[in-house]
This record gives sequence, structure tokens and C-alpha cells, in this order.
Amino acid sequence: EVVLTQSPGTLSLSPGERATLSCRASQTVNSNYLAWYQQKPGQAPRLLIYGASNRATGIPDRFSGSGSGTDFTLTISRLEPEDFAVYYCQQYGNSPQTFGQGTKVEIK
Amino acid sequence: EVQLVQSGAEVKKPGESLKISCKGSGYTFATYWIGWVRQMPGKGLEWMGIINPGDSDTRYSPSFQGQVIISADKSTSTAYLQWSSLKASDTAMYYCARDHAFHIWGQGTMVIVSS
Repeated sequence: EVVLTQSPGTLSLSPGERATLSCRASQTVNSNYLAWYQQKPGQAPRLLIYGASNRATGIPDRFSGSGSGTDFTLTISRLEPEDFAVYYCQQYGNSPQTFGQGTKVEIK
Repeated sequence: EVQLVQSGAEVKKPGESLKISCKGSGYTFATYWIGWVRQMPGKGLEWMGIINPGDSDTRYSPSFQGQVIISADKSTSTAYLQWSSLKASDTAMYYCARDHAFHIWGQGTMVIVSS
């Protein structure tokens, strides 16, 4: 199965700063079927990005996804207070689908 | 409005059986795959498996194959996750979600297994 490794484990930043999150796959993700999710405490995850770079409905344009093959990135251009959360990547191009272990974005 | 509504929290004893549900509304249920995701307390997301309600084609993660059964009833727009013999280690929040990139999520069902 495809193992997704997210880095860093924790990112400490201030509001207004840029956040760059990495997701590296152990093998090529077919068709770049890579998604990013945001999860806040006590809530279900929310889809941010699918197909590596497509924003989901209602997602602000400060969120962007890039990458292909085995290396993918989620960028938050300017952190808003509501963006401090845990972020997960997921690949759905290979069976079984898998999630990364998560990156926590915390307030510095 | 497209939504998935899951059944309520459960408290069970080890060895008991359980079936939790996920009801879709606002769309043609048979058209989209439904997946299940486990989140143990304080931990990350784990993909368990996925079902096509249209033809009941089901795929499991090797970690969950043989441990749970995923099913669906398109006549009632409901997907299910079931256990025949629960263990304490099954204590977790379980989410259902629609499609392969999970655009729509249920609210989660908390399952607590304790003697």
C-alpha cells in the first residue's frame, strides 16, 4: 500500500504568515489523486483540495495544492485565525486508499 | 442539501456485535461510493474501506479486512459498518464519507467498547 509521510509534524506560525505542508508518497499516486483535509477539534474533517490542485466547493483561495507523482504540497498563503488545525493528505488513486499521519498547524 | 447522517453514539461490551449506519440524502445514493474512516482517540485518520451502493462492490484496507463488514442498502440510501465481536481497541470515532476524495462527511459515530 502507498504510505504517505507528512512533514513537518507540527508547524508553529503566526496569523498572516505563509504555511507550507508536505506530503510524500512511497510510490507514485495514480492520476495525482491526492486530497487534503482540514480537521478542527470535535469536528469531522473538511475537504480542501482534490486531484492535487483543485479547491473544493467553498474553500478560500488562500488554500492551494500543488505537486505530482510522489511529492505534494498544501500552501496556505496567509494564515487566518480559523486555519489553525490539523491537516491530512489522502491518496485515492491506488488501492487501498491511505491517509498521511497529519500536520498540526499551531499558533506561535 | 446533500448530507450524510450517522447513527448515534454506542457503548458496548467486548465481544458484543454492533452495526452503525450512515444515511444519505439530497442526492442519488447509488451514484457515489461511500467510505468509512476510523479515528482513535487523539489519533489520525485511517481509511477502512469503501462501497459502491449501486452494485455493492466493496474494497477493504488490509488492516480492516476480516475485522468489519461494510454494506449498503440503496433502497433506504443507507450504508453500514458492522462488527461481530467488538474489542476494546475498536473504541474510536467512525466517519462515513462520500466519493473517493471525500467531499461530504457524516458527523461521526462514537463507539466505546468497555467492560
